[in-house]
Amino acid sequence: GAGVSQSPRYKVAKRGQDVALRCDPISGHVSLFWYQQALGQGPEFLTYFQNEAQLDKSGLPSDRFFAERPEGSVSTLKIQRTQQEDSAVYLCASSLSWIGQGSLEAFFGQGTRLTVV
Amino acid sequence: DAKTTQPPSMDCAEGRAANLPCNHSTISGNEYVYWYRQIHSQGPQYIIHGLKNNETNEMASLIITEDRKSSTLILPHATLRDTAVYYCIVRAASGGTSYGKLTFGQGTILTVHP
Repeated sequence: GAGVSQSPRYKVAKRGQDVALRCDPISGHVSLFWYQQALGQGPEFLTYFQNEAQLDKSGLPSDRFFAERPEGSVSTLKIQRTQQEDSAVYLCASSLSWIGQGSLEAFFGQGTRLTVV
Repeated sequence: DAKTTQPPSMDCAEGRAANLPCNHSTISGNEYVYWYRQIHSQGPQYIIHGLKNNETNEMASLIITEDRKSSTLILPHATLRDTAVYYCIVRAASGGTSYGKLTFGQGTILTVHP
């Protein structure tokens, strides 16, 4: 498809389980972002990639959260030993431009809803 | 990035113009104003952005005051499909490592009614 694709759309994990969330950005997009959105809140920044380089991971809430984009296209957000407070929608976005270019039009996927029980 | 203030909710009649205000009194000279919206159960969607001048595209118009301390997003003929949360975001154009991120606030819930 032409848009940002995320999988799975829904994930239920038992507390303590590891999960991996996948993001397929728009082909050719240099920049890739991960956001976390709790119920009733706006999205909150987690991390940013420019190609395969992770330039900003300041938003990752703990060392249980890890993101990678090894070939500069598909990205995976991994959460180890999930906790109930990790329950949220995880959004991925990509952009043709890179930071420093000025404007930034980001295209978001539909997100993965993670529920930790 | 500068903080923004938006009303928590607004109503609009279908077919009328929806004017969504945003205050960003601490905006600095190199910061853009962006608008995104989020329809229920979908990811945010880019609408428009601007630096100093007013901007218009096929979705909306963005009016930025001369002192750049506030802006208004205008949906000229609102439809029921425009019901969404609208986010006003300011973001630095360049410099440092934080300008990669978009800082969403709580946004304005716009309800378009028949």
